[in-house]
Amino acid sequence: DVKVTQSSRYLVKRTGEKVFLECVQDMDHENMFWYRQDPGLGLRLIYFSYDVKMKEKGDIPEGYSVSREKKERFSLILESASTNQTSMYLCASSLAWTREQYFGPGTRLTVT
Amino acid sequence: AQTVTQSQPEMSVQEAETVTLSCTYDTSESDYYLFWYKQPPSRQMILVIRQEAYKQQNATENRFSVNFQKAAKSFSLKISDSQLGDAAMYFCAYRSASADKLIFGTGTRLQVFP
Repeated sequence: DVKVTQSSRYLVKRTGEKVFLECVQDMDHENMFWYRQDPGLGLRLIYFSYDVKMKEKGDIPEGYSVSREKKERFSLILESASTNQTSMYLCASSLAWTREQYFGPGTRLTVT
Repeated sequence: AQTVTQSQPEMSVQEAETVTLSCTYDTSESDYYLFWYKQPPSRQMILVIRQEAYKQQNATENRFSVNFQKAAKSFSLKISDSQLGDAAMYFCAYRSASADKLIFGTGTRLQVFP
């Protein structure tokens, strides 16, 4: 079975802090994605990566950056957390563009 | 730009009954994929069913089936013999065959009553 893990289930940070969310997949997937999930808005793509050191902006990249130094790991970075970044963050991976995405358990981030 | 619409924020069904969740999408493309994902409370999102647009036959996975109407751009999910474990948020998603990201609807929360 594909396993996608995220470093924390719950995280509380203060405004202005730098926040790192880590995602690891164990199935040698080329593609990895970061979404945020908000009630009534569904899932929105923040960034994705199709290879090591490669990244592409999604629909809502403002205020976020990413890092992919190893194939199995994809990090989401909030350079200076703000209260409007309080949300559920989901990581996903996929083997190829034609395949479905597999999701991690999510990190519920609260910025106070 | 492609969009996905789920017009039912909440649905409920009695155990053992059948329920249908609606999804419509808008696209000018002819080749794409459609998905239904399930997100149980506090649990991981999992794929329920997938449909390739070029296939006329509706996809089926055990108690889950879809009604794919390409001309109408409709992709509904039917859950037969509903079980308590089916209670979850259900998301419809679209992916172009030539693109690289999923576009999600806003979700439908399904409650299952004993």
